[in-house]
Amino acid sequence: DGGITQSPKYLFRKEGQNVTLSCEQNLNHDAMYWYRQDPGQGLRLIYYSQIVNDFQKGDIAEGYSVSREKKESFPLTVTSAQKNPTAFYLCASSPFRGTAKETQYFGPGTRLLVL
Amino acid sequence: AQKVTQAQTEISVVEKEDVTLDCVYETRDTTYYLFWYKQPPSGELVFLIRRNSFDEQNEISGRYSWNFQKSTSSFNFTITASQVVDSAVYFCALAFTGGGNKLTFGTGTQLKVEL
Repeated sequence: DGGITQSPKYLFRKEGQNVTLSCEQNLNHDAMYWYRQDPGQGLRLIYYSQIVNDFQKGDIAEGYSVSREKKESFPLTVTSAQKNPTAFYLCASSPFRGTAKETQYFGPGTRLLVL
Repeated sequence: AQKVTQAQTEISVVEKEDVTLDCVYETRDTTYYLFWYKQPPSGELVFLIRRNSFDEQNEISGRYSWNFQKSTSSFNFTITASQVVDSAVYFCALAFTGGGNKLTFGTGTQLKVEL
């Protein structure tokens, strides 16, 4: 089945630790995105990538890093510089790059908790 | 600046009642796209509809209908004869041509449908 997978479903981070969230899609979509969702709030864009080996910062990129070495993969690293990482992280993809009209399709999410 | 307002934080209805979820947006762009997503308790966002700024026709899909009015910058969502399975958080979102792929989300409306 085509879709977006995120792993793990739950992730625990210790103070000062970097953790990486996985996002894979087999939809052959060009663009991929990472959003953060806090309780009672909408989604906020962390990073997005419109093509392999290229990505741009979103509204809240500080404390996060990404890579896009393959079309189907867009991992997100939450670094120790992110002081409040507890949130629900959602990955999304859309068929074509750079166009506002493209619908974004979302994965099941990863819930990150700080120990 | 782009902004999406969902003033209704939480709505509770009894099954079979009709319910309307409000969405008001702000943008200076003449070309933009509006979206509705459903987030069930599992967490994954499910795409419901996309509407472009040049198409003000209302749309009906089964029990769902959408009313787009540019004059009031609103894109409201109505569920007819609500069911328990409709219980979820619903998000309205905006994309504009000058913003690339970026989606601006509202804070969501929690809909609870009870027996």
